[in-house]
Amino acid sequence: GAVVSQHPSRVICKSGTSVKIECRSLDFQATTMFWYRQFPKKSLMLMATSNEGSKATYEQGVEKDKFLINHASLTLSTLTVTSAHPEDSSFYICSARINTEAFFGQGTRLTVV
Amino acid sequence: QQPVQSPQAVILREGEDAVINCSSSKALYSVHWYRQKHGEAPVFLMILLKGGEQKGHEKISASFNEKKQQSSLYLTASQLSYSGTYFCGTVATGTASKLTFGTGTRLQVTL
Repeated sequence: GAVVSQHPSRVICKSGTSVKIECRSLDFQATTMFWYRQFPKKSLMLMATSNEGSKATYEQGVEKDKFLINHASLTLSTLTVTSAHPEDSSFYICSARINTEAFFGQGTRLTVV
Repeated sequence: QQPVQSPQAVILREGEDAVINCSSSKALYSVHWYRQKHGEAPVFLMILLKGGEQKGHEKISASFNEKKQQSSLYLTASQLSYSGTYFCGTVATGTASKLTFGTGTRLQVTL
């Protein structure tokens, strides 16, 4: 079946630094990928839709300059958390769709100290 | 707006049945169901498409009432492995496949 690979699975960074999270579709091409954020014991909240070759579409309340999304190829989307702060600590998950079915990456646990 | 799930949490003994409901305020094209274990990504269970269908595999099935904008997930003869948080994901009509997750239902199956 289709596989979405996300890296890294865990990252700890200092306040003020930037962190890049990669999401790859391993055996299919994904013109669109989705980035979600999940706080402990909460649901997954859609942050943005990543579109290959064009600008990402951000959900209301998500800072574009804070969460930079680049979808440079049909198999790779990246999310960069810039100038990270402790409140950015969360579980970030990417997803790609084939027809109606969504495939998720393993998730990235970001801890900002 | 986020679909609302009920109940928020449920505890079952192994072998008991459960129903999890998902209600949306929007007209829906499809409903997806996922189970998530702690610290892991959601695992796909099934998709129900517009047309009011019902699906199932083994002891987990679901129904989709598009007129009521609701879906229900049925777990029968629950097993310990069913424990986790269940999310419905909805794709509203005309939203270009954007999947919005429900509020979640925490299920715990005990011996």
